[in-house]
Amino acid sequence: KAGVTQTPRYLIKTRGQQVTLSCSPISGHRSVSWYQQTPGQGLQFLFEYFSETQRNKGNFPGRFSGRQFSNSRSEMNVSTLELGDSALYLCASSPVRGNTDTQYFGPGTRLTVL
Amino acid sequence: GDSVTQMEGPVTLSEEAFLTINCTYTATGYPSLFWYVQYPGEGLQLLLKATKADDKGSNKGFEATYRKETTSFHLEKGSVQVSDSAVYFCALSEEYGNKLVFGAGTILRVKS
Repeated sequence: KAGVTQTPRYLIKTRGQQVTLSCSPISGHRSVSWYQQTPGQGLQFLFEYFSETQRNKGNFPGRFSGRQFSNSRSEMNVSTLELGDSALYLCASSPVRGNTDTQYFGPGTRLTVL
Repeated sequence: GDSVTQMEGPVTLSEEAFLTINCTYTATGYPSLFWYVQYPGEGLQLLLKATKADDKGSNKGFEATYRKETTSFHLEKGSVQVSDSAVYFCALSEEYGNKLVFGAGTILRVKS
């Protein structure tokens, strides 16, 4: 099975712009979660989608949003970019929503905000 | 809220040395516990997991036991290799849903 894929792998944007990142989960996986990784804050949970519905949300401003499509693919959007949004954005998928399930991570999208 | 604390690094070891990376957690309910590894330029890979108290997770020579009485999930390996050099993250999955809470990560450097 193909792993979790994320596109694009690298992005450079300027402050005030918006950006959309894409994640394709492992085939058959219905839950997709997003995480932000920065040197200062570490790995932080952004949100989780299951069956096209947001099920859980982390402590991030409303500029961060996401959605999930009927094929389980997910996108996250960041509007009005700030320098502090520079980070590695990781997507993870799992078959269902049980806390015993393993989440499989993609390689990430490296976002740089200038 | 739930939290994970792991020992600060970097940890520098010689090849074939014994490895311990400490991890403790604070959680309500009954979390599952995980160790993930991240190699340079890559995403996270699951190393091992344990889903209930006294479970032992193991993989590639690494082991960790879910200790509810001490709220710990320490990672151990009897003999490290240069190829084990990476960043190791301890994490818990809250009792309901898929949210992972991560520790800060521990850099491991193994010298030949």
